[in-house]
Amino acid sequence: SQQGEEDPQALSIQEGENATMNCSYKTSINNLQWYRQNSGRGLVHLILIRSNEREKHSGRLRVTLDTSKKSSSLLITASRAADTASYFCAPMDSNYQLIWGAGTKLIIKP
Amino acid sequence: DAGITQSPRYKITETGRQVTLMCHQTWSHSYMFWYRQDLGHGLRLIYYSAAADITDKGEVPDGYVVSRSKTENFPLTLESATRSQTSVYFCASSESGLVNPSYEQYFGPGTRLTVT
Repeated sequence: SQQGEEDPQALSIQEGENATMNCSYKTSINNLQWYRQNSGRGLVHLILIRSNEREKHSGRLRVTLDTSKKSSSLLITASRAADTASYFCAPMDSNYQLIWGAGTKLIIKP
Repeated sequence: DAGITQSPRYKITETGRQVTLMCHQTWSHSYMFWYRQDLGHGLRLIYYSAAADITDKGEVPDGYVVSRSKTENFPLTLESATRSQTSVYFCASSESGLVNPSYEQYFGPGTRLTVT
């Protein structure tokens, strides 16, 4: 399987703290995307970073990509209770297929 | 309603029965996908379609059939349901045109299927 892998599997932090999730993958990629899934709901696209980009920001989200290490990270700053969800990285391979890992379950404690 | 919808949202069926899960999108996206998500796992691609009448297998196609006679609809059929097909099924769509591809996928709310 060419699954991506997120690390950690679960993360629990206090509201207001920053949350960092990491992702590793095995194949060469076209781009890498991050998605959020609230419990019992469908996935929502958060951000896309292309293979020739190293960093991208969107609001409180910051994504980095290191293609030499085949890794990415998602930073959520100033976390809120509403950020409680599972987060998935999805590298897009050369066939334009997304490769999914098991996700990181993020819990924000009030 | 605009967006991507799935029906039914919940389904309980017996082993051996045929089940069809429906997916409808209003954006006229060319690409549509079916995934299954099992507890504690990521998504696994079952089938995808690049356009009407064009479908292709994903990672786990066995036991499933798809069709796409219209751009907006992409039904998934379990020909003879098995307990191992108990899962949450997600449909997604994307517009990956040649000129300015988007690549991001838009997901439906999911269908929770239980096979007894």
